[in-house]
Amino acid sequence: DGGITQSPKYLFRKEGQNVTLSCEQNLNHDAMYWYRQDPGQGLRLIYYSQIVNDFQKGDIAEGYSVSREKKESFPLTVTSAQKNPTAFYLCASSFTGDQPQHFGDGTRLSIL
Amino acid sequence: DAKTTQPTSMDCAEGRAANLPCNHSTISGNEYVYWYRQIHSQGPQYIIHGLKNNETNEMASLIITEDRKSSTLILPHATLRDTAVYYCIVRGFDRGSTLGRLYFGRGTQLTVWP
Repeated sequence: DGGITQSPKYLFRKEGQNVTLSCEQNLNHDAMYWYRQDPGQGLRLIYYSQIVNDFQKGDIAEGYSVSREKKESFPLTVTSAQKNPTAFYLCASSFTGDQPQHFGDGTRLSIL
Repeated sequence: DAKTTQPTSMDCAEGRAANLPCNHSTISGNEYVYWYRQIHSQGPQYIIHGLKNNETNEMASLIITEDRKSSTLILPHATLRDTAVYYCIVRGFDRGSTLGRLYFGRGTQLTVWP
């Protein structure tokens, strides 16, 4: 089945540690996105990529980094510079930048 | 800037039509209206989108007013599984970009009761 896989579903991080969230898609989509969702809030865009080896900052990129070395993969690293990393992280993809986005089931990150 | 206004919550009886309103009075001519829904602790699910004509698919219908300042998502026969937060989104394009940005607001919590 085609889809977007995010792993792990739950992730715990100690203060001062970097952590990487995985996002893989087998939909042959060119564009991929990372969002953050806080309790009771809508989604906010962190980073997006329209094509391999290219990505742009979204609205809340500070403290995060990404890479897009393969079409299928768009990992997100939450660095120690992110002061409030506890949130629900969602990855999405679309055929092109103007097509509907399809989402994974998210990773919930918590700080120990 | 979410660009849309939705009621915080709505209720609907199972088997009845659920009509979810959305105001987007500042929408531009080339901006689409998108609807997604999110069941607790899952990723948002794409439902439907449109520009100015009414649209229908296997999940729902989208009615957009002629002036495009508001729209209504219709779930024709709501079931308990339709209980979710529904997001009405205006898809905008940053200057010089071909990537349509989704601006999520807080959405409408739809509760379908037996």
